Amino acid sequence: EAGVVQSPRYKIIEKKQPVAFWCNPISGHNTLYWYRQNLGQGPELLIRYENEEAVDDSQLPKDRFSAERLKGVDSTLKIQPAELGDSAVYLCASSDGQGSADTQYFGPGTRLTVL
Amino acid sequence: AQSVTQPDIHITVSEGASLELRCNYSYGATPYLFWYVQSPGQGLQLLLKYFSGDTLVQGIKGFEAEFKRSQSSFNLRKPSVHWSDAAEYFCAVAGFSGGYNKLIFGAGTRLAVHP
Repeated sequence: EAGVVQSPRYKIIEKKQPVAFWCNPISGHNTLYWYRQNLGQGPELLIRYENEEAVDDSQLPKDRFSAERLKGVDSTLKIQPAELGDSAVYLCASSDGQGSADTQYFGPGTRLTVL
Repeated sequence: AQSVTQPDIHITVSEGASLELRCNYSYGATPYLFWYVQSPGQGLQLLLKYFSGDTLVQGIKGFEAEFKRSQSSFNLRKPSVHWSDAAEYFCAVAGFSGGYNKLIFGAGTRLAVHP
């Protein structure tokens, strides 16, 4: 069974440019998470979807970040415009339950560098 | 607020030696606790989790962890480390933060293994 797929794996952009990350969760997993992992830190949740509904976007910087999961399967996270401080690894995870105690399966991440 | 502390940023052990990685949590109720491992360029992989019951939890790759409520700790152990165990290890608690249930990670411990 395929795991969580993310693309691209690496992205280098200049500040003020837009960038988008794509995630395809494990088949059948209704819950999808986007995390940001800064250098030397653990992942921090940006947004959680249950099917196509964003049920926790409290940590998403809404002035520049947006996300969508239109058909309740794959998802896109966008930053526009990017800032230097957005340099980080963006991780996608999925689970087949809706609770925070459910096992989350992580993708390899997208490493973003903003110059 | 719920939090996780991993006191050791970096640990180096010799191959074949025993390992203990420390994790302390702050949570009012009975916690759900997790250990994840992140190898270079890879996503996070679940090693083990504790929900209730036996306080000694067995995981994959020969790892185990012990929940000690009196010490608010959930330390990860392995009796004999292999070179392939070199990675970053994250402890996490399923907690309530910002009005939502979510997985809260520590900052991680980077493990290096000497041959």
